Amino acid sequence: RKEVEQDPGPFNVPEGATVAFNCTYSNSASQSFFWYRQDCRKEPKLLMSVYSSGNEDGRFTAQLNRASQYISLLIRDSKLSDSATYLCVVNAVGPGGYQKVTFGTGTKLQVIP
Amino acid sequence: DTEVTQTPKHLVMGMTNKKSLKCEQHMGHRAMYWYKQKAKKPPELMFVYSYEKLSINESVPSRFSPECPNSSLLNLHLHALQPEDSALYLCASSQVYLQGSGANVLTFGAGSRLTVL
Repeated sequence: RKEVEQDPGPFNVPEGATVAFNCTYSNSASQSFFWYRQDCRKEPKLLMSVYSSGNEDGRFTAQLNRASQYISLLIRDSKLSDSATYLCVVNAVGPGGYQKVTFGTGTKLQVIP
Repeated sequence: DTEVTQTPKHLVMGMTNKKSLKCEQHMGHRAMYWYKQKAKKPPELMFVYSYEKLSINESVPSRFSPECPNSSLLNLHLHALQPEDSALYLCASSQVYLQGSGANVLTFGAGSRLTVL
């Protein structure tokens, strides 16, 4: 089982739709969680951190369920510019006390006019 | 504009060449990373430097040689690469690396796209 798993998609949705991605992680000692966005042939960029109480940034809402070990990202009112790959990132303290950053495989979103 | 600068953006090299990738950040971050990313795959960690010391080497072949001359610079020296090493090489930085909370956010550079012929 991969440490961080995502549905690779692609998710093809019309403009204005609401779309949700899930990400599951296997390391119960994971401590912090993020969603990154990566455009085609570009670098990953931080979209938002994910907090235990859930958090919202404009049209984007992130949720964390520690008991079930998954995080989610909800995008409302999808725009064409939201088309990208969304990477789930999980941080844990690895061997020797160092931070271990694990990327999910990414979920591709295509918003259609 | 990204705050982590990588050069060159594109590099084509033969299997016998020696080349280097460079990365620079001026955010005062003390941890710097090299990642390799193949098409349609997530970034894979190669090396981590913390306070200019190599902290993590993810069993990377010796044809890749990292160097951290100071807290702002990170190099990746390439020698005798194979065609399968063709990929996007991403540099990242974070405030610190050794931290109990594991909460560091990575800032990525735009990457160096490497093609090995």
